[in-house]
Amino acid sequence: AQSVAQPEDQVNVAEGNPLTVKCTYSVSGNPYLFWYVQYPNRGLQFLLKYITGDNLVKGSYGFEAEFNKSQTSFHLKKPSALVSDSALYFCAVRDTAGGFKTIFGAGTRLFVKA
Amino acid sequence: DGGITQSPKYLFRKEGQNVTLSCEQNLNHDAMYWYRQDPGQGLRLIYYSQIVNDFQKGDIAEGYSVSREKKESFPLTVTSAQKNPTAFYLCASSSGTGTDTQYFGPGTRLTVL
Repeated sequence: AQSVAQPEDQVNVAEGNPLTVKCTYSVSGNPYLFWYVQYPNRGLQFLLKYITGDNLVKGSYGFEAEFNKSQTSFHLKKPSALVSDSALYFCAVRDTAGGFKTIFGAGTRLFVKA
Repeated sequence: DGGITQSPKYLFRKEGQNVTLSCEQNLNHDAMYWYRQDPGQGLRLIYYSQIVNDFQKGDIAEGYSVSREKKESFPLTVTSAQKNPTAFYLCASSSGTGTDTQYFGPGTRLTVL
């Protein structure tokens, strides 16, 4: 069965510092991996996805994520955090061997302090 | 929030009432989804539809019902059988291919009085 874990409920970082939000996954086949961001009382917005190819994926708002097959991880990163990056971040995985369903992690809340 | 609209934004329900949440998309997407979001639990799939006039139960379908009579619309009814319906409900759509991205509506917050 497919699953996704976000081991940190909250990440705190100072503005201008690099940020990392962690995600690990478990699938039977090959994974399709996604990151979404949610601002208060809003829907989720797509940031980036990994399907195949280059392990470093670049997305919206300066975010990027690195796919690591051996560690089954897909950590979200940004070189320099902004206060406006403060939000709830979700990692999601779809198993290519598992059909149609996408599984979402529990979310990580990012706080960026000025 | 793309081309997906949800209404109402806030909804209050009395015990024993059925309520219907609206979801409309103008993205010409084949697939549509309903998720429930509770604090600390991420998103849980209620129902999904890959094509008009067809839908499947997700992980927490009990107490909910849906219809998919039009490609653009995927309404969700929260019935009185749903014992704890207070939550944030999110609708999403996608093109329906294996690698597709889901696009989300702004959500409906349902509160049981």
